[in-house]
Amino acid sequence: AQTVTQSQPEMSVQEAETVTLSCTYDTSESDYYLFWYKQPPSRQMILVIRQEAYKQQNATENRFSVNFQKAAKSFSLKISDSQLGDAAMYFCALTGANSKLTFGKGITLSVRP
Amino acid sequence: GAGVSQSPSNKVTEKGKDVELRCDPISGHTALYWYRQRLGQGLEFLIYFQGNSAPDKSGLPSDRFSAERTGESVSTLTIQRTQQEDSAVYLCASSLAGSSASTDTQYFGPGTRLTVL
Repeated sequence: AQTVTQSQPEMSVQEAETVTLSCTYDTSESDYYLFWYKQPPSRQMILVIRQEAYKQQNATENRFSVNFQKAAKSFSLKISDSQLGDAAMYFCALTGANSKLTFGKGITLSVRP
Repeated sequence: GAGVSQSPSNKVTEKGKDVELRCDPISGHTALYWYRQRLGQGLEFLIYFQGNSAPDKSGLPSDRFSAERTGESVSTLTIQRTQQEDSAVYLCASSLAGSSASTDTQYFGPGTRLTVL
């Protein structure tokens, strides 16, 4: 079975500052993929960033980057230069050979102007 | 289409009634997924389609839940004899699902918010 744990229910960051969202996971598979999705109040799940487990290099997408620690089964998301539009729920997710995504409970990020 | 669409956006029903939720995936995407999101929770997997077949139905919570897909396109999730615990947002996602479904990113629709009174 796969599990994803997001232990922080809420975080707050000052606009233009950097924030890190934590995620740990567990899987018995050797080939898997990790994702961070953003869900604003509109409910639309938006892919933020994706990491293939076999790649050692951390994925980056503009202001978003991950710290992937495979041995520790940790996958944190760093948001640099935070913007008001970054305020949303963020979900960490995992998929393996069975294709279905396993999600964490999410974290609510607020951005202070 | 440009993205995954779902209808209706919101549905209010009475306990015991049947409901149908519709998902239109991105054109050309062969894999389709249904998830349920209870208030303040993450998403729970319900069912996965590859083409018109459902190789994984393991997440369907009871036999009141069923889903079908036709023409490798539209999918319908049906909930019979709805209960209050069925109240949730039901999200659909699709992916290209080429040689290995797990490598493909899933793109989500806006969801249907179901409220059972």
